[in-house]
Amino acid sequence: GQQLNQSPQSMFIQEGEDVSMNCTSSSIFNTWLWYKQEPGEGPVLLIALYKAGELTSNGRLTAQFGITRKDSFLNISASIPSDVGIYFCAGYNTNAGKSTFGDGTTLTVKP
Amino acid sequence: DTEVTQTPKHLVMGMTNKKSLKCEQHMGHRAMYWYKQKAKKPPELMFVYSYEKLSINESVPSRFSPECPNSSLLNLHLHALQPEDSALYLCASSRSFYPGLAGGPSYEQYFGPGTRLTVT
Repeated sequence: GQQLNQSPQSMFIQEGEDVSMNCTSSSIFNTWLWYKQEPGEGPVLLIALYKAGELTSNGRLTAQFGITRKDSFLNISASIPSDVGIYFCAGYNTNAGKSTFGDGTTLTVKP
Repeated sequence: DTEVTQTPKHLVMGMTNKKSLKCEQHMGHRAMYWYKQKAKKPPELMFVYSYEKLSINESVPSRFSPECPNSSLLNLHLHALQPEDSALYLCASSRSFYPGLAGGPSYEQYFGPGTRLTVT
């Protein structure tokens, strides 16, 4: 089946630092989605990307759909303590008819 | 309103019990999903309903039985579960689900808060 490689697995940063994480795959995806999950909650959709090369921002978050359609990255600028959580990428492929999730990046922000 | 609600929030059941998980959305979405999530792992797809019909069953054991009574409701009936079935069960919905269409906002999935299930 399709697999997504999400990195890094975890990050420990100081408040105010910028963060970058990415997902890569050997398969092509039609849509990339980025979610954040906090303890005891379901994933919350942060950004959705639909076209190769697309760059989209949501506040301090910026994500891009790779030009090859096989990768995506998420940047968080000027991190704050409430950014703590697990960030998942998910790629949707029309042929598969479902989303594939990355293994997640656990973000810890030290005040 | 982008809310998906799930009940109960927590559930403890014995291996011989029968219980049900419930999910509801009022966004007019026609695709609904059940996921299972273990600690620090990504959600694993179990079932997909499209227009109240089961579209995908990811080879889930028959002790899990999904039901979609109408376009707003999704149930997961549990019977004779095993301790390894303990997990967070997530419901999600999206505007549509139709293999063959190009990607787009239709596939943005909105998740509920989940039901934390413990099987003793």
